[in-house]
Amino acid sequence: DVKVTQSSRYLVKRTGEKVFLECVQDMDHENMFWYRQDPGLGLRLIYFSYDVKMKEKGDIPEGYSVSREKKERFSLILESASTNQTSMYLCASSGTGLSNQPQHFGDGTRLSIL
Amino acid sequence: AQSVTQLDSHVSVSEGTPVLLRCNYSSSYSPSLFWYVQHPNKGLQLLLKYTSAATLVKGINGFEAEFKKSETSFHLTKPSAHMSDAAEYFCVVSVNNYGQNFVFGPGTRLSVLP
Repeated sequence: DVKVTQSSRYLVKRTGEKVFLECVQDMDHENMFWYRQDPGLGLRLIYFSYDVKMKEKGDIPEGYSVSREKKERFSLILESASTNQTSMYLCASSGTGLSNQPQHFGDGTRLSIL
Repeated sequence: AQSVTQLDSHVSVSEGTPVLLRCNYSSSYSPSLFWYVQHPNKGLQLLLKYTSAATLVKGINGFEAEFKKSETSFHLTKPSAHMSDAAEYFCVVSVNNYGQNFVFGPGTRLSVLP
């Protein structure tokens, strides 16, 4: 089974802090994604990466950056955390192939910015 | 462009009765379709996927879905609801063989009454 592991289930940080959310997958997937999930807004794509050191902006990249130095690890960085970044953050990975591969999700990180 | 409509934001059923969660999609190309389930404070778990093989797809936990191209639908069903089925369900469409392009529906919350 594919396993996507997010480093923290719950995280509390202060406004202005630099915050790192880490995600690791064990299936050698090319693609990795970061979403945030808020009530009434569904899942919104922040960034995705299709290869090491490669990244593409999603729908809401402002205030975030990402890093993918190794294929299995994809980090989301909040450069200067703000209260409106309090949310549930979900990491996912997917492979490529002849037929569309599904995404596999981690358990999420519930981040609170005080 | 692709889009996904989940016709009901909330569905309530009694334990032991059938479940029907509706999903319609719009896509210019032959899509792949997925259903995910999310329990509170957890990530998304893949229930089943359609990738142009059989139109009736069986998934985990007794769920199944039928792809109907003429109706652009991919409704999720289960013959008999269980209390543990109470969760949020997401219909997702993808048309990219590189596993990079996923469009999520807004979700349907399923309540199961004793």
